[in-house]
Amino acid sequence: DIQLTQSPSFLSASVGDRVTITCRASQGISSYLAWYQQKPGKAPKLLIYAASTLQSGVPSRFSGSGSGTEFTLTISSLQPEDFATYYCQQLDTYPPFGPGTKVDIK
Amino acid sequence: QVQLQESGPGLVKPSQTLSLTCTVSDGSISSGTYYWSWIRQPAGKGLEWIGRIFSSGTTNYNPSLKSRVTMSVDTSKNQFSLKLSSVTAADTAVYYCARGSTPYYYYGMDVWGQGTTVIVSS
Repeated sequence: DIQLTQSPSFLSASVGDRVTITCRASQGISSYLAWYQQKPGKAPKLLIYAASTLQSGVPSRFSGSGSGTEFTLTISSLQPEDFATYYCQQLDTYPPFGPGTKVDIK
Repeated sequence: QVQLQESGPGLVKPSQTLSLTCTVSDGSISSGTYYWSWIRQPAGKGLEWIGRIFSSGTTNYNPSLKSRVTMSVDTSKNQFSLKLSSVTAADTAVYYCARGSTPYYYYGMDVWGQGTTVIVSS
């Protein structure tokens, strides 16, 4: 089974900061990766699919890159509404989620 | 805009079967463009993918839950369902239903229900 790890698990940042979250897969998954944002008490929200394609309606400050085993989610300028937990998910046959990265206010 | 809504008992006794239904509004569950998933999240923890079902009836389940999970689609009611047997306290979680687009390896899950809390306790 493919396992996903995320780093860091916790990130403290300020409004306006550039933030990068890394997701690594235990084996190559091509570009079969999605990123989600989850706020407390809410369902996850799809941000990125196919590793780098921005979901409709998602602000352009979010971007994704990578393929194979290493992927990144970047927020170019952190906004107050971006403080949340971010999960990657590989989209293959049995698609697990990564453990999550919590982005908190510095 | 399609909406999903989970429903089912909020309390299930240990060893019994958890049964949840997700109702799809303003969209057809029969469309081959989509698949339908269940995901759960224990309090304070991460997301766990339970499985998915396609309009054809094909299913994929999390290997760790496969022996206890059954998913089905009821096109007449525009609903899909989850059954999880032999539950224990470890199955206590918020359960989400979600829609994904095909091909499944390309798109993520873009529409989610609000989630329903299921507690396993006697």
